Amino acid sequence: GEDVEQSLFLSVREGDSSVINCTYTDSSSTYLYWYKQEPGAGLQLLTYIFSNMDMKQDQRLTVLLNKKDKHLSLRIADTQTGDSAIYFCAEEVPSGSARQLTFGSGTQLTVLP
Amino acid sequence: GAVVSQHPSWVICKSGTSVKIECRSLDFQATTMFWYRQFPKQSLMLMATSNEGSKATYEQGVEKDKFLINHASLTLSTLTVTSAHPEDSSFYICSAYTTGAYYEQYFGPGTRLTVT
Repeated sequence: GEDVEQSLFLSVREGDSSVINCTYTDSSSTYLYWYKQEPGAGLQLLTYIFSNMDMKQDQRLTVLLNKKDKHLSLRIADTQTGDSAIYFCAEEVPSGSARQLTFGSGTQLTVLP
Repeated sequence: GAVVSQHPSWVICKSGTSVKIECRSLDFQATTMFWYRQFPKQSLMLMATSNEGSKATYEQGVEKDKFLINHASLTLSTLTVTSAHPEDSSFYICSAYTTGAYYEQYFGPGTRLTVT
């Protein structure tokens, strides 16, 4: 079955880089996503990567995908206090006509001033 | 980007009553919407897949008679929690996806349900 795992907490100092890691088990995943959730709010898509890519950069965000190890990471450069939130990685595995996502447990990022 | 709204944003109801939550795609048509449930400090758990004009597909362990889903149009899906109990208190999030140059699933802001 599908299983997506993340470490629960990460603290960094403002201005440093943050790296949030994620592992997944289903090798048939097509897309992998990173979402941000602020308190009491829904999910905001940050970025995604297609499974045949190794890396994707989007402004301060860099996604690395190691398909062999089924490892995904999100690097946030120059982390700001506004980046404090819960970050979820999610795996999309085709299931018939539906495109379902399996979410990791979420990593609480705390940015210290 | 595309916008998905939910209504209400929060609701408190008494045990035994039913509550309806609406999910709307505001500027696109969504043939498929998903309903998730999120407990405090936990991940999102998919409850069901809602397809316009057909019956919803429920995940294992989700009671279809308790969580009624109706996807009456391409822009609206509703989740009704029937005979609510305190253990149904949770954050309910819907999402809708649109196909285009690439896939993207848009999430609603969530509905906080508290059953007293």
